[in-house]
Amino acid sequence: QSALTQPASVSGSPGQSITISCTGTSRDVGAYDFVSWYQQFPGEVPKLILYEVGYRPSGISDRFSGSKSGTTASLTISGLQPEDESHYYCQAYTSGGTWVFGGGTKVTVL
Amino acid sequence: QVQLVQSGSELKKPGASVKISCKASGYTFTHYAMNWVRQAPGRGLEWMGWMNTNLGRPTYAQDFTGRFVFSLDTSVSTAYLEITNLEADDTAVYYCAPTYPRMYYFDYWGQGTPDTVSS
Repeated sequence: QSALTQPASVSGSPGQSITISCTGTSRDVGAYDFVSWYQQFPGEVPKLILYEVGYRPSGISDRFSGSKSGTTASLTISGLQPEDESHYYCQAYTSGGTWVFGGGTKVTVL
Repeated sequence: QVQLVQSGSELKKPGASVKISCKASGYTFTHYAMNWVRQAPGRGLEWMGWMNTNLGRPTYAQDFTGRFVFSLDTSVSTAYLEITNLEADDTAVYYCAPTYPRMYYFDYWGQGTPDTVSS
């Protein structure tokens, strides 16, 4: 199972919107709407920020939103803030009953 | 509340073995599967596999067969990850993360166990 494809880095200025893509196959991203996104700061545990494509856990800002089209899922951060500077990982549940993560994207706030 | 407490940092020599524990509390241990995730230094997250805590049956991801063994002690609500014949490339932080049936995301994570393999 190959890792999902994410851009290595994305940057934006405060207040802008950025979008991180997560591309897989019909066996993972395209199989179900079971795509999740995690935020991870250096030295910290990954934190769930979106699940089932676009649902936010309690306490997660509505500046984070998700979508999916075919075999590509996307995370959009609206109104980018300095505290959004972090690494972001997508994850998909596969048709084989396993999970696969993306390679991760470093978000830089300019 | 759900808590996952993992064992502490490890420093091992190549060829040795390590056994990492993940003690769960705040939920019925056998109602959730237990996943293991690896993160090598400066690298991304890799799903290693999961353990059916009800049946005691492990499922390993393709890249984690052979030297990686999942086990349980349900009497103390603890899952274990053992890695044998350690290699330098096994240097990583290892996380446990439970999942409930039909919940396809990891909303709880252990704090991570750093394992360094060095001669």
